[in-house]
Amino acid sequence: NAGVTQTPKFQVLKTGQSMTLQCAQDMNHNSMYWYRQDPGMGLRLIYYSASEGTTDKGEVPNGYNVSRLNKREFSLRLESAAPSQTSVYFCASDRGGNTEAFFGQGTRLTVV
Amino acid sequence: AQTVTQSQPEMSVQEAETVTLSCTYDTSESNYYLFWYKQPPSRQMILVIRQEAYKQQNATENRFSVNFQKAAKSFSLKISDSQLGDTAMYFCAFYNLAGSSGDKLTFGTGTRLAVRP
Repeated sequence: NAGVTQTPKFQVLKTGQSMTLQCAQDMNHNSMYWYRQDPGMGLRLIYYSASEGTTDKGEVPNGYNVSRLNKREFSLRLESAAPSQTSVYFCASDRGGNTEAFFGQGTRLTVV
Repeated sequence: AQTVTQSQPEMSVQEAETVTLSCTYDTSESNYYLFWYKQPPSRQMILVIRQEAYKQQNATENRFSVNFQKAAKSFSLKISDSQLGDTAMYFCAFYNLAGSSGDKLTFGTGTRLAVRP
C-alpha cells in the first residue's frame, strides 16, 4: 500500500527559483491538503482541495499555487522561492468527516 | 474561521505515569470532528484518537482517552501508563463538516511530550 507519496524528500533552492512539489494518493480520497510545518507554528494549511476540480486557500496561501490534476494528484508550486518558505511541507488526503487523514513523509525545503 | 489552540508547547512525564495534553478550539459550527495526531521524530503523522462532536461519550483507544467538553470547546488527551514510545509531538486537529469555511482539517501548534525513563 503506497498511501500518500510525496516527492522530493529534500530540496535546496536559491531565492527566486521555482519548483513543484508532487503528491499522489492511491486511496481514492476526495480531499487533499498541503501544509507547512515550522517550529512553534504547528501545521499550517496552505491550500486544500475538497474534491477533484476544486481548490481553496488555507491559512498561508501567499507565494504558492496548487493544481488538482486529477483525483489522485495534488501539486504545490512555488513560483519564486523566498527564504521565508524554508519549511517542511506535508501533503495529506482523507475521505472527509471523521475519517483518518493520511500524510506523506514530508519535504524538507531550504531556500537560500 | 476555526482555530485550534494548544497552550502547552512542551510537557514531560515519568514512564508509567499519566499525562494530560490540553486543546481548545473555536468554532461557530455544530457539526465537526476532533482528532489527536502523534508525530514521532520520524516525522510520520499517526492518528491517535478521534471524536465526533455529536457524541457525548468520550472516545478511548487503549491507553489514550479524551475529555471532550463541547460547551467549553475543550478536547484534552489523557495518556495513561506512559511509555518511552509515546515521546513525540502531539497535534490536536479540527475537521469542519459542511461549514461556511469549507471542509478542511485544521491543526493546533502542537505539544512536545517527553517521556522520562
